[in-house]
Amino acid sequence: NAGVTQTPKFRILKIGQSMTLQCTQDMNHNYMYWYRQDPGMGLKLIYYSVGAGITDKGEVPNGYNVSRSTTEDFPLRLELAAPSQTSVYFCASEPGLAGNEQFFGPGTRLTVL
Amino acid sequence: QKEVEQNSGPLSVPEGAIASLNCTYSDRGSQSFFWYRQYSGKSPELIMFIYSNGDKEDGRFTAQLNKASQYVSLLIRDSQPSDSATYLCAARDYNQGGKLIFGQGTELSVKP
Repeated sequence: NAGVTQTPKFRILKIGQSMTLQCTQDMNHNYMYWYRQDPGMGLKLIYYSVGAGITDKGEVPNGYNVSRSTTEDFPLRLELAAPSQTSVYFCASEPGLAGNEQFFGPGTRLTVL
Repeated sequence: QKEVEQNSGPLSVPEGAIASLNCTYSDRGSQSFFWYRQYSGKSPELIMFIYSNGDKEDGRFTAQLNKASQYVSLLIRDSQPSDSATYLCAARDYNQGGKLIFGQGTELSVKP
């Protein structure tokens, strides 16, 4: 199993550009999450999904969108990138709330200039 | 707003000492708590979870939970330089899809 994979690893965007961060898991997990982590800070939840076709906002959803058309994939879309979106983005998954571990992907480091 | 607070670091301990990391949470309804370790430039990895009052031990790590005081801690015995990392405390919010609410993290440095 590859676990949770994310692409790209690094990206530099100009203000106003758009991009999609990809996240795929091969563990057949129902729950998937997108977090952002700013320097020296913990993780803030952007969006989450409890299954294909179901998504909901987290603490910091503004400027982002998600979709969940399959169990495996949970892409995060940035529209009109802003410098405030410079951060490291982590995708995570877990089988369900009875489980006790969220599995994290390696992260995407995004810089908006 | 539900919050998880961790003591600010960095925390520096000599090799072989006990490192004590602390965390408080605001939501009295929180049931499950997690400690993640994050090496610089890497993703978080789970060390331990705890949901019952008292202590839970796993090797050199002991998690302690006191729900009355809304307090969670992680003790690392016989600290090693390889334990140098940022430690993230998280509480699970079952009212919102089971999401984890993370603290800001405590940076631990173990000096040889």
